Parts: sequence; C-alpha cells; structure tokens
Amino acid sequence: LAKTTQPISMDSYEGQEVNITCSHNNIATNDYITWYQQFPSQGPRFIIQGYKTKVTNEVASLFIPADRKSSTLSLPRVSLSDTAVYYCLVGGVSSGSARQLTFGSGTQLTVLP
Amino acid sequence: NAGVTQTPKFQVLKTGQSMTLQCAQDMNHNSMYWYRQDPGMGLRLIYYSASEGTTDKGEVPNGYNVSRLNKREFSLRLESAAPSQTSVYFCASSQVTGVYEQYFGPGTRLTVT
Repeated sequence: LAKTTQPISMDSYEGQEVNITCSHNNIATNDYITWYQQFPSQGPRFIIQGYKTKVTNEVASLFIPADRKSSTLSLPRVSLSDTAVYYCLVGGVSSGSARQLTFGSGTQLTVLP
Repeated sequence: NAGVTQTPKFQVLKTGQSMTLQCAQDMNHNSMYWYRQDPGMGLRLIYYSASEGTTDKGEVPNGYNVSRLNKREFSLRLESAAPSQTSVYFCASSQVTGVYEQYFGPGTRLTVT
C-alpha cells in the first residue's frame, strides 16, 4: 500500500468548497485512490474512488493529475454535518494488496457556522 | 437490508479473559475485514478474509484469531485479553478485496482492565 500524506486538520465555513489534498509519491501503476469519511463513534463510510483524471458523484469530486502522485478530494458547499475525519487510501484491489490496509490518521475537517 | 452488524456493542474484560466478537453481512460480499482503532488514531487491519474459507494476517494480528464461518460471518477471537487490546473494533466487508469500497459495521468498544 502506497504511503500517503494528508494535512492533520482543516477548518472551513458553511457553504464553502473544501479541498483536501493527499500526497502519494510512490503510487503503483495498478493502485486506486479511495477516500473515506468517519464521524465520531461510527465506522468509516466510502466517499469516492478513482484511478485518473476526475471522478464525480453526488457528494464529492476527486481530482487526480496526470502523474497521479497526489489527489484532491473536493466537497462542494460544506455544512456542519460534514465535520468528520477524512482518510485517503492508495492501493490495489487484490487479496495481496489488503495485507497492509491502514487508514492512517486522516484529516480532521471542522466546519464552522 | 442491515448491511454489516456487529455484536456486542460494548464489552469490558479482565486481563486474561477470552471473548469472541461477531460480525455478519447481508450484502453477499466476498471479502471481510477486522480493524482496530485506538483513540485519536486511524484504523489498523488485524485480519481479513478474501473469500469464504480463507483468512490472512493484516498489520497487527498478534493476540487475535479469526474464523470465516461462512460467506456471511467473520468472527474475531481474543484468547487472553490484555490492556493493550483496549480499542474500538470494526468489521467491514467488500465485494472485491483491497481498497475497493468497504462497508463498515457500527463497531465494538472493548475495554480490558
């Protein structure tokens, strides 16, 4: 599993767009980039996954540059309920790749009124 | 459709006692996982099962054993609990092994005194 680096914390205000960047310099050719969200006392929840360029779903967008050494999770118009920890994972989708699955410390996003 | 269920929700053990954490999923997923999350930390993989009948170690397997009872159920056993195993335990499942979209249970909060 490729090592990732994320900011420890970020603050934002309601209604703003939030961008959380993850660095993964040693990403492998077959690796995917996946983001999860975790609220206190709950298990993580899958947000979005991508391999290259841009992926968008109903809650977020994921931007991946051509070299794939970083990625940016974009949350449009955040609300107080988006306050959570966000994890970036980079790895493959095979049984061997699961062996080192670790979520790291993530980014604590706090949305202020 | 309950998703991933875990029992019990809370448990207090004395050092040296044993217990089994139960996990079940109703999404017909092939892969299942057990993680632990210590306060203020990310999740670390204990064991996983890529498919029915197979299990494999994750990052922190010492002190634990697992059983993939059938496709639905994956249990985690602590044979002789230690205070260092005080943590929140999450079970997860996914259709494909690895960083692919995982669905998490609500967690079991375990305290070992």
